[in-house]
Amino acid sequence: SQQGEEDPQALSIQEGENATMNCSYKTSINNLQWYRQNSGRGLVHLILIRSNEREKHSGRLRVTLDTSKKSSSLLITASRAADTASYFCATDAVNSGNTPLVFGKGTRLSVIA
Amino acid sequence: NAGVTQTPKFRVLKTGQSMTLLCAQDMNHEYMYWYRQDPGMGLRLIHYSVGEGTTAKGEVPDGYNVSRLKKQNFLLGLESAAPSQTSVYFCASSQLYPSTDTQYFGPGTRLTVL
Repeated sequence: SQQGEEDPQALSIQEGENATMNCSYKTSINNLQWYRQNSGRGLVHLILIRSNEREKHSGRLRVTLDTSKKSSSLLITASRAADTASYFCATDAVNSGNTPLVFGKGTRLSVIA
Repeated sequence: NAGVTQTPKFRVLKTGQSMTLLCAQDMNHEYMYWYRQDPGMGLRLIHYSVGEGTTAKGEVPDGYNVSRLKKQNFLLGLESAAPSQTSVYFCASSQLYPSTDTQYFGPGTRLTVL
């Protein structure tokens, strides 16, 4: 029951460039979260955006939410090699049944120094 | 605080063997979760718990059982391991309902079933 789907699947950029990842979902949500996963590690929460919010910032991260298009984007500005990781969106689909939070398949970001 | 810890970090089983994965959290969180992560599949919820003594099925519960006898611990059991259960297993916890709160993840257990 995949709800969120990230795009692109993989992204490779030079250090200092901006990275944009997108998440599309299928059904109405209350909130959307973004997580980061470094290779071989557990996920780390980045940011939560509520359905009544359109934009949220945290340091070099900027998240937008467009509920009319059922999509969200994560922008990392001035990327660093340490930003190399996989990024996942997670949604609380209203009709998610037995899955309180559904994760997408992720975007693999490589930042080249 | 150690956060969320998982034991063991790695394990190799033969088909049909059983094992228990242990998750422990020291944040006094009410909610705990077990996920599996397979290449190209993202994270899928196996079972979760909304408090001590409670468990509920997630998206892919078949072949697994869980118990939450103590608030800080959440155990995941495989009674008869199958090669399809080869995966990386993550435990997570949150204080509030998952859609409104941060989930804290453990470092994962890499399980191989031969």
